[in-house]
Amino acid sequence: LAKTTQPISMDSYEGQEVNITCSHNNIATNDYITWYQQFPSQGPRFIIQGYKTKVTNEVASLFIPADRKSSTLSLPRVSLSDTAVYYCLVGAVMDSNYQLIWGAGTKLIIKP
Amino acid sequence: DAGVIQSPRHEVTEMGQEVTLRCKPISGHNSLFWYRQTMMRGLELLIYFNNNVPIDDSGMPEDRFSAKMPNASFSTLKIQPSEPRDSAVYFCASSFQLMNTEAFFGQGTRLTVV
Repeated sequence: LAKTTQPISMDSYEGQEVNITCSHNNIATNDYITWYQQFPSQGPRFIIQGYKTKVTNEVASLFIPADRKSSTLSLPRVSLSDTAVYYCLVGAVMDSNYQLIWGAGTKLIIKP
Repeated sequence: DAGVIQSPRHEVTEMGQEVTLRCKPISGHNSLFWYRQTMMRGLELLIYFNNNVPIDDSGMPEDRFSAKMPNASFSTLKIQPSEPRDSAVYFCASSFQLMNTEAFFGQGTRLTVV
């Protein structure tokens, strides 16, 4: 059964680097790994997406090992405004059907 | 573009009534997704369309739920009859293609069934 697993919650402090890891054992061969951020009373918002190795944009980095069975979202120098829920999303092929598999979300709390 | 537009933003209805949620995706996007979010179950993918055709509705909880996409600029999610356990925030999202692309979410519809 394809699933994604990520920690339920994490705490950190302003200025620190935060790493959130997601495991996805049955990711589809051609599928990317995508991470979203969600604030209260809003829909999820795209952060970053990657296929393998490392991807970096203005807000985060994404590290993906060669076997692609996990990925790590890295947030550099977090601030209070990074307090949110972070979701990983992958595609998986199950019973010949392509399905989108969301993680349960990691609630990140940044403290001053 | 104004983004994904959902209506209404809030809906309160009595058990047994029909509820219709509406979504206007971003122009030019070919894929549309309906999600439900609750504290207990988290974010659940209900159904998604590609080029107006339903691709996977395995997340639809039961026959009381139905979704349509009559054209590229409009979709509805209907619950008939509604039950208190349907209370949740329902999100619509759209993307340029089905796989490996950024999805844009609407603000959601908060549904309360009393």
